[in-house]
Amino acid sequence: DAKTTQPNSMESNEEEPVHLPCNHSTISGTDYIHWYRQLPSQGPEYVIHGLTSNVNNRMASLAIAEDRKSSTLILHRATLRDAAVYYCILRDPSNTGKLIFGQGTTLQVKP
Amino acid sequence: DAGVIQSPRHEVTEMGQEVTLRCKPISGHDYLFWYRQTMMRGLELLIYFNNNVPIDDSGMPEDRFSAKMPNASFSTLKIQPSEPRDSAVYFCASSLWTARGNTIYFGEGSWLTVV
Repeated sequence: DAKTTQPNSMESNEEEPVHLPCNHSTISGTDYIHWYRQLPSQGPEYVIHGLTSNVNNRMASLAIAEDRKSSTLILHRATLRDAAVYYCILRDPSNTGKLIFGQGTTLQVKP
Repeated sequence: DAGVIQSPRHEVTEMGQEVTLRCKPISGHDYLFWYRQTMMRGLELLIYFNNNVPIDDSGMPEDRFSAKMPNASFSTLKIQPSEPRDSAVYFCASSLWTARGNTIYFGEGSWLTVV
């Protein structure tokens, strides 16, 4: 599985946008970019995923670089409830169904 | 749907005892995963099943660990005998495969403490 690199931690103020970066320079053409997050004392939950084009859903936006070697998860208005560990994961859907988690980025949101 | 259901939520056991963790995946899902999470090692994939068949158990730490999936609605992860280093949160997850990949849904975890 291709590797991703994320900052260990980031801080944000409540109601401000947050940009969480992820580098994946060894991404293959068929890898989807997935983001999951884990709130304290809970299991990970799906946030968003994309292949080439930018994606939006009710939780967040995903901006993918043109060369696909990096991506950014965007939370448009951070709330205290968004404090979590955010994981960027590459998955090839034609390969296996498994998710391999890295260390992720711990996001702190200040009131 | 109730989501992925795990039991017990919390267990404290003595070293040497057998521990059985249980999981009910989301109905209709064809993949089931067992993960373990510790502060030191993060989230590790232990084993996963496709259509009740174990596909990859390379993450199972040693022979003390075993997992079964007798049918599409139930799986167990067993540790026998348990050791203090097995203390961790164990997550079960399930998904339905599609051509665009599959979203994986996690349970709330089983918090295991071995003393």
